[in-house]
Amino acid sequence: AQTVTQSQPEMSVQEAETVTLSCTYDTSESDYYLFWYKQPPSRQMILVIRQEAYKQQNATENRFSVNFQKAAKSFSLKISDSQLGDAAMYFCALTQEGGADGLTFGKGTHLIIQP
Amino acid sequence: DTGVSQNPRHKITKRGQNVTFRCDPISEHNRLYWYRQTLGQGPEFLTYFQNEAQLEKSRLLSDRFSAERPKGSFSTLEIQRTEQGDSAMYLCASSLAPSSGYTFGSGTRLTVV
Repeated sequence: AQTVTQSQPEMSVQEAETVTLSCTYDTSESDYYLFWYKQPPSRQMILVIRQEAYKQQNATENRFSVNFQKAAKSFSLKISDSQLGDAAMYFCALTQEGGADGLTFGKGTHLIIQP
Repeated sequence: DTGVSQNPRHKITKRGQNVTFRCDPISEHNRLYWYRQTLGQGPEFLTYFQNEAQLEKSRLLSDRFSAERPKGSFSTLEIQRTEQGDSAMYLCASSLAPSSGYTFGSGTRLTVV
């Protein structure tokens, strides 16, 4: 069984500052994909960024980047220049290459942006 | 493309009643997933369809739950004899492949009273 752990139930950051959300995972598979999803109060999950386990290069999407440490099974999300619209629940998720078991999610981190 | 559509958005039902939810995935996505999310938790996988075939079911999915995806297009999730513990947000997601990520619908919030 695979697991995803997010150890920060809540994080707070000043607008325009940088924040890092932590995620660790466990899987016995060698081929897998990691994701960060954002869930605003409207409740629809939005894909923020994805990382293929076979790629050493860390993924980036505009202000969002990850620090993927495969040996340590760590996958943190860095948000630069935080904006009020970034306030949401952030979920780290993992899926295997076959995808039959879908995504395994962590419990989420509630990100608060202080104006 | 209008994304993944779920109906209804909200459903309130009395304990013991049956309910059915619908999910319309992105048309070219052959993979469809159902998840359940309770307050303060991440979504939990319920079941997976590839085209019309149901290929995987979680042990969370009791025999009161059934899902279908006729013709590999929309999917329905039915809960029979609802219990208060079934109260949750039911999310649907579709995908072309795991590598491309998953697109979620807005969910159906079920309240069993």
